[in-house]
Amino acid sequence: DVKVTQSSRYLVKRTGEKVFLECVQDMDHENMFWYRQDPGLGLRLIYFSYDVKMKEKGDIPEGYSVSREKKERFSLILESASTNQTSMYLCASSLRGLNTGELFFGEGSRLTVL
Amino acid sequence: AQSVAQPEDQVNVAEGNPLTVKCTYSVSGNPYLFWYVQYPNRGLQFLLKYITGDNLVKGSYGFEAEFNKSQTSFHLKKPSALVSDSALYFCAVRDGGNTPLVFGKGTRLSVIA
Repeated sequence: DVKVTQSSRYLVKRTGEKVFLECVQDMDHENMFWYRQDPGLGLRLIYFSYDVKMKEKGDIPEGYSVSREKKERFSLILESASTNQTSMYLCASSLRGLNTGELFFGEGSRLTVL
Repeated sequence: AQSVAQPEDQVNVAEGNPLTVKCTYSVSGNPYLFWYVQYPNRGLQFLLKYITGDNLVKGSYGFEAEFNKSQTSFHLKKPSALVSDSALYFCAVRDGGNTPLVFGKGTRLSVIA
């Protein structure tokens, strides 16, 4: 069964802490994405990557960075967590190609910043 | 730039009745359209997609969607709703390149027994 695994389902951090959210996929997908989900705002794209060591900014990259050292792993980093980064974070992956494109999502990581 | 509108925050329907969840989109070029469902405290699950071909697309759990190019719509439908269909539904679009999906804000579907 194909899978996108996010390392932590629930995290509580303090303002100013550095936070790592890890995502691993076992489908050999080229593309990986980080979204955040907030009530009434839907899913907003933070960063994405189409290849190892490659990254692109999404719609709301401020306050975040990412790392993709291996094809299967895409990490989201909050350098200095703030309360407005309290949210549900969703990792997803997809195959490259015009006739595919559907995303496979992890279960999500719910982050609370106090 | 791509965009998606889901005009209803909430849709309520009685079990056994047909359901429709609305979606309109804006994209330059040909649209690639998707529907996803999210159950409580879970990630999103793929339901169906339209890339090309027949305007009526069938997907998982008995759902279908109709692509209407003139109205730029891609409404999700099911002939007979189940209580277990209660969830949050997202419409998404991208253009023909390898661009990321853009999601709507979601519509919460409640099916009442």
